[in-house]
Amino acid sequence: GEDVEQSLFLSVREGDSSVINCTYTDSSSTYLYWYKQEPGAGLQLLTYIFSNMDMKQDQRLTVLLNKKDKHLSLRIADTQTGDSAIYFCAESGNAGNMLTFGGGTRLMVKP
Amino acid sequence: NAGVMQNPRHLVRRRGQEARLRCSPMKGHSHVYWYRQLPEEGLKFMVYLQKENIIDESGMPKERFSAEFPKEGPSILRIQQVVRGDSAAYFCASSPISGTGAGNTIYFGEGSWLTVV
Repeated sequence: GEDVEQSLFLSVREGDSSVINCTYTDSSSTYLYWYKQEPGAGLQLLTYIFSNMDMKQDQRLTVLLNKKDKHLSLRIADTQTGDSAIYFCAESGNAGNMLTFGGGTRLMVKP
Repeated sequence: NAGVMQNPRHLVRRRGQEARLRCSPMKGHSHVYWYRQLPEEGLKFMVYLQKENIIDESGMPKERFSAEFPKEGPSILRIQQVVRGDSAAYFCASSPISGTGAGNTIYFGEGSWLTVV
């Protein structure tokens, strides 16, 4: 079945860039997503990328997709303390009805 | 336009009791999805429903769990005879059309946190 993997933890200093990585196994993935979850809250969709693209930029967020290696990354420029949260990578495959999520990367931003 | 509304936000049940979680999709959305998030894990798909129909329940445990989305009213996720391992956050999502192909048309609720004591 499909599998999505992320590193568990990332710590950066305020003002630095953060790069959160994700790998997936489903070669039929059509869309790949990044969600942010703050403690006790739901999921906020940050951005998504269609599988025929290799880069998407949205203000401080840059998504890079290497389809050959099945590797997705989220870069947050000028990271702020408010960016501290858990970031989930997710993909939608052929089935279309469901998202497969990674285990989440906890980002800690130190002042 | 209100978002996806879930209630209760927090629910405590004793082992053996029943838990009912409700989800009202966004206005105009007729497709509902339930996901479960175990502690320190990502979300796992449970079930996909349209009005009065279960479309995909491949992620639902075989026993004790059921879901419905009636013609009128919210979608309900029902867990009978709860056990400690059912403690988790249950998220509902909705979309106006089928599937995830349009990218940003799936919206998540704030979740219902179930604790079984």
